[in-house]
Amino acid sequence: AQSVTQLDSHVSVSEGTPVLLRCNYSSSYSPSLFWYVQHPNKGLQLLLKYTSAATLVKGINGFEAEFKKSETSFHLTKPSAHMSDAAEYFCVVSVSGTYKYIFGTGTRLKVLA
Amino acid sequence: DVKVTQSSRYLVKRTGEKVFLECVQDMDHENMFWYRQDPGLGLRLIYFSYDVKMKEKGDIPEGYSVSREKKERFSLILESASTNQTSMYLCASSRNGRSYNEQFFGPGTRLTVL
Repeated sequence: AQSVTQLDSHVSVSEGTPVLLRCNYSSSYSPSLFWYVQHPNKGLQLLLKYTSAATLVKGINGFEAEFKKSETSFHLTKPSAHMSDAAEYFCVVSVSGTYKYIFGTGTRLKVLA
Repeated sequence: DVKVTQSSRYLVKRTGEKVFLECVQDMDHENMFWYRQDPGLGLRLIYFSYDVKMKEKGDIPEGYSVSREKKERFSLILESASTNQTSMYLCASSRNGRSYNEQFFGPGTRLTVL
């Protein structure tokens, strides 16, 4: 069965320092993986997605993620955090052959001035 | 600009009331979803629809029903609201056919049941 684990519920970084949000997945098939961001009182917005075309995926707002099959990981990174990056981030895996998307429990990113 | 809209941003209802949450998408997507979002639990799927008048139960359907009479509109119904249904409700849509098709989300409805 597919599952996704976000290893940190909260992450704090200083403005201008790198961001790392960790995600591990479990999948019997080659998965499709997504990262979404949710700003306070807003819906979710797609940051990037992995669809097996390339293991390093670039997204919006300077974020990127690397698919590592051997480690079953899909960590989200950004070289330099900005105050506007403060939000909740969700790692999602889609279940092959079905409509279902499985969400991680989210990582709340705090950016300190 | 593609859009998913939800009828209310904030809603306050009383226990036992029947509650309707409406969602409309303008992307001609086949699939539509209702989730509830609670702190520490992520998003949990309530119901899913893959076509007009077609629906499937998600992980937590108890106490909810849905209606999809038109392709662009998907309604969530709380037959008799209870306090444990106080939550953020998110609607989403996606294209059919590929597991890498992403979902597009509405802004959410924060429902409080008193």
